[in-house]
Amino acid sequence: DGGITQSPKYLFRKEGQNVTLSCEQNLNHDAMYWYRQDPGQGLRLIYYSQIVNDFQKGDIAEGYSVSREKKESFPLTVTSAQKNPTAFYLCASQDSRGLYGYTFGSGTRLTVV
Amino acid sequence: GDSVTQMEGPVTLSEEAFLTINCTYTATGYPSLFWYVQYPGEGLQLLLKATKADDKGSNKGFEATYRKETTSFHLEKGSVQVSDSAVYFCARGIQGAQKLVFGQGTRLTINP
Repeated sequence: DGGITQSPKYLFRKEGQNVTLSCEQNLNHDAMYWYRQDPGQGLRLIYYSQIVNDFQKGDIAEGYSVSREKKESFPLTVTSAQKNPTAFYLCASQDSRGLYGYTFGSGTRLTVV
Repeated sequence: GDSVTQMEGPVTLSEEAFLTINCTYTATGYPSLFWYVQYPGEGLQLLLKATKADDKGSNKGFEATYRKETTSFHLEKGSVQVSDSAVYFCARGIQGAQKLVFGQGTRLTINP
């Protein structure tokens, strides 16, 4: 079955460390997205990519970086410059026509310890 | 700009009650409209969608009709169950871009 897989489900980061969250999809979708969700809050767009080797900043890109070397993969790195990284991170993908909405992964919960 | 406004939560109902969660969108073009549901600790799942005016999306007893005249896409269910307890997000597409704009989410709790 096609889907989108995020790993790990839980991640703990020490102060000053960079961590990378994985997102892989086998839906043959062109577009992929990273969102951040804080408790009781909506979704905020971090980065998105509409095609391999290209990506754009979303509303809250500071302190994050991404790459899109393969169509299937869109990893997110949370850098030490992100001062408040504790949150639930959601990856999503969408086909090029954008008619069917996003398919979401199950999320990664990142906690700074 | 493009935006979606949802009914503020939390919403608490008794089992078998009628549910309405309001959603309105800014009228820029003719966007596709979506409802997503999020269960605790999980990602969002597409609940239903509508791609043009007067379309009705439906799934699992939930319905929403694309109302161009009122720029609304309200979610309804005739008889809710405890298992419907979740956070519901309304979203709209952005014409010319492959992005969705989400509402802030509405937390629904159904008591037995």
